[in-house]
Amino acid sequence: DTGVSQDPRHKITKRGQNVTFRCDPISEHNRLYWYRQTLGQGPEFLTYFQNEAQLEKSRLLSDRFSAERPKGSFSTLEIQRTEQGDSAMYLCASSPRGDSSYEQYFGPGTRLTVT
Amino acid sequence: AQSVAQPEDQVNVAEGNPLTVKCTYSVSGNPYLFWYVQYPNRGLQFLLKYITGDNLVKGSYGFEAEFNKSQTSFHLKKPSALVSDSALYFCAVRDMWGGNNDMRFGAGTRLTVKP
Repeated sequence: DTGVSQDPRHKITKRGQNVTFRCDPISEHNRLYWYRQTLGQGPEFLTYFQNEAQLEKSRLLSDRFSAERPKGSFSTLEIQRTEQGDSAMYLCASSPRGDSSYEQYFGPGTRLTVT
Repeated sequence: AQSVAQPEDQVNVAEGNPLTVKCTYSVSGNPYLFWYVQYPNRGLQFLLKYITGDNLVKGSYGFEAEFNKSQTSFHLKKPSALVSDSALYFCAVRDMWGGNNDMRFGAGTRLTVKP
């Protein structure tokens, strides 16, 4: 399968713990996006990479959140000192070179539950 | 900033009947408009997009959407619904000249097609 993959698919953690999620985009795609989706809502943009450069960050991305894409391939999203409000589905998407008219291809998501 | 509204949380149709899922948008410039579908435990799948040109765009699985600039709408349609079309549908918009790369999603519309 050559789609976007995410790991893990589910994560249960206790409040205050740190968690890290991984996203592997489609191999020829240089753009990578992270979104958060809560129940009954559409995905909300968190951050965007072009190759290894993090070019945009949403105000939703508090100081406890950090994302990296060190070699311009896979990306990680880390949440420090998790809170119950962080419980959500975290989605990764990628798109090819070109302008913003390209559609994004989404992974299956990582569902985070903070207890 | 761009935004999307999906006025119906839920749409119910009988199999074989036409379906419409509504979407209106707001952007400061010209829009790029997208429809995605989300099945349970799966990522968002791209259905179709409007970039420029013909106002009626055709996409996957027999879906189509009509761009109406005067009404700022981009409704999703299908002439004959299938039970397998039951899923969560999201409309999304980007501002062509906005200079940012985040895609704004609506809250989603749950489509139920009954046999």
